[in-house]
Amino acid sequence: AQSVAQPEDQVNVAEGNPLTVKCTYSVSGNPYLFWYVQYPNRGLQFLLKYITGDNLVKGSYGFEAEFNKSQTSFHLKKPSALVSDSALYFCAVRDVTGDSNYQLIWGAGTKLIIKP
Amino acid sequence: EAQVTQNPRYLITVTGKKLTVTCSQNMNHEYMSWYRQDPGLGLRQIYYSMNVEVTDKGDVPEGYKVSRKEKRNFPLILESPSPNQTSLYFCASSPIAGVQTGELFFGEGSRLTVL
Repeated sequence: AQSVAQPEDQVNVAEGNPLTVKCTYSVSGNPYLFWYVQYPNRGLQFLLKYITGDNLVKGSYGFEAEFNKSQTSFHLKKPSALVSDSALYFCAVRDVTGDSNYQLIWGAGTKLIIKP
Repeated sequence: EAQVTQNPRYLITVTGKKLTVTCSQNMNHEYMSWYRQDPGLGLRQIYYSMNVEVTDKGDVPEGYKVSRKEKRNFPLILESPSPNQTSLYFCASSPIAGVQTGELFFGEGSRLTVL
């Protein structure tokens, strides 16, 4: 079955330190991969995507993500965390093979807490 | 301002009392979708619509109805709400090209409690 795993419910990072939010997937073929962020009491916002090309993709707010096909991972990273990065982060995958009806498969979310 | 607007943002209701959550977008998007968000489960798609008068079931459509009579509006109807429909609901929209690449625009959410 197709799935997306975010193995950490919560990640705690000190401000100024690098952060990583992990995502692994199980989807056939070559999927499209996404990260969304949800700030408190707000809707989800698109952060970045990987479709093809360079395995390191850059997105909004200084975030980047690295696609690793052999490990079927798409970890979100930022070199220096800000307190304002504290939010809920979702990884999502779209299967581009077969009849997926454009549906996204979502991870359960990881709460990122940046401490001053 | 380009946005997806949901109403109400918060609602407490009782079992069996029909309710509608409205969703409107001002970006002329073809695609609209409803999700529910539950702790530990991420987002699950309820229904989606590729264009006016075209709707289809997502992963968890039971207990919900939708309609797409106009391009900008995509209301979610709970004919007889039950406590297991207590959740945070999100409406999302996208142009067709955005659907293919997974870039969705989300509303701010509607928190529904069914007693």
